[in-house]
Amino acid sequence: GENVEQHPSTLSVQEGDSAVIKCTYSDSASNYFPWYKQELGKGPQLIIDIRSNVGEKKDQRIAVTLNKTAKHFSLHITETQPEDSAVYFCAASKVNYGQNFVFGPGTRLSVLP
Amino acid sequence: SAVISQKPSRDICQRGTSLTIQCQVDSQVTMMFWYRQQPGQSLTLIATANQGSEATYESGFVIDKFPISRPNLTFSTLTVSNMSPEDSSIYLCSAGGVSGETQYFGPGTRLLVL
Repeated sequence: GENVEQHPSTLSVQEGDSAVIKCTYSDSASNYFPWYKQELGKGPQLIIDIRSNVGEKKDQRIAVTLNKTAKHFSLHITETQPEDSAVYFCAASKVNYGQNFVFGPGTRLSVLP
Repeated sequence: SAVISQKPSRDICQRGTSLTIQCQVDSQVTMMFWYRQQPGQSLTLIATANQGSEATYESGFVIDKFPISRPNLTFSTLTVSNMSPEDSSIYLCSAGGVSGETQYFGPGTRLLVL
């Protein structure tokens, strides 16, 4: 079955700097890759997603890139702010095949003021 | 996007009792899921709640321990039965479109079993 790895497990950056989180997946048939942000005491919130027919997607300060050949995708956050501090989870799925999400172990991001 | 609410938000329960968690979605959705999240850990899928039929459970989870209902396209319940301290966790409901694409999560139910 699918296996998703995520690095780093913790990341500290200075406010205003960029943060990059990388995930790798094992199943080349996976075709949908969402990213979730989970703040303390809350449920995961979808922040951006990408499908396998797209190499990059951007939404304001957040971007996701996908390399299907290498089977990895990355979350990029620019101009980080203290409110970006949270745990971020990536996931992989094979939509249209009834497959469920497989989540990575998570990255705890701390943005230092 | 779907807005999802869960009840209760948290509870403290005694060993051997059962707790039913409710999940309400503000619109009709095809797929609903139940996850467990141990403290500081990632999300583990318990089961897919199927409307009008029995839930589909993942390996390691059984219906006797986690019975699920899905009476319509906006509501589901998860029961944690005969609880032990090992069941202390966050239980999350999610909802999505066909085949589970773009899942949205509820706020979670924080359960502590003494």
